Amino acid sequence: EVQLVESGGGLVQPGGSLRLSCVASGFSISAYSMNWVRQAPGKGLEWISFLPSPGTVSPISYADSVKGRFTISRDDATNSLFLQMDSLRVDDTAVYYCARDRCPRVACYNNGLWGQGTLVTVS
Amino acid sequence: DIQMTQSPSTLSAFIGDTVTITCRASQNINIWLAWYQKKPGKAPKLLIYSASILQTGVPSRFSGSRSGTEFNITITSLQPDDFAAYYCQQYDIFPLVFGGGTTVE
Repeated sequence: EVQLVESGGGLVQPGGSLRLSCVASGFSISAYSMNWVRQAPGKGLEWISFLPSPGTVSPISYADSVKGRFTISRDDATNSLFLQMDSLRVDDTAVYYCARDRCPRVACYNNGLWGQGTLVTVS
Repeated sequence: DIQMTQSPSTLSAFIGDTVTITCRASQNINIWLAWYQKKPGKAPKLLIYSASILQTGVPSRFSGSRSGTEFNITITSLQPDDFAAYYCQQYDIFPLVFGGGTTVE
């Protein structure tokens, strides 16, 4: 089955760190561009980070709200996407989703496959 | 950054109604707009990309259109499963920005 499963969320104090994981199954994560998107309680969706596939020209990108604090990465051996979150703030509290670009090899910049999300609470 | 202004924020409707949600970009984004459906506790679902192309498996009662920097998603003959939140997202340039969302209730 083609799916994404996030993990690593939890309760962390302000200023702390957390590393989110997203394990892909049914496809090779190295063939797709990947994103992290979050949704704070009662709020809308917020895109936070993009990791290009090897065939995509665009660089790694971050939303201004997380730039310099969050780092996106990928491990092809474990078919996993990561989000290292440092210097966490109360307003980083959200459900974090990993999402796969709709198109393999070269990004289309819209996401056709999403995980179920993992909750991060900063308090 | 590009701003995406979505309206209305809430829309009340009945089963069988036809509803339209609008998203306006602060600058030209060509056709690079997607629409997502989001239900509580569920992952977002891609409905439409490139302003008007229906994602595989999405019912044909969903349609998208563009006029300049204004984009619409229309749901014809609203079904019980369609009561959800809807978000537009521009992907012309980074940062990729979502609209504020519309809840169809």
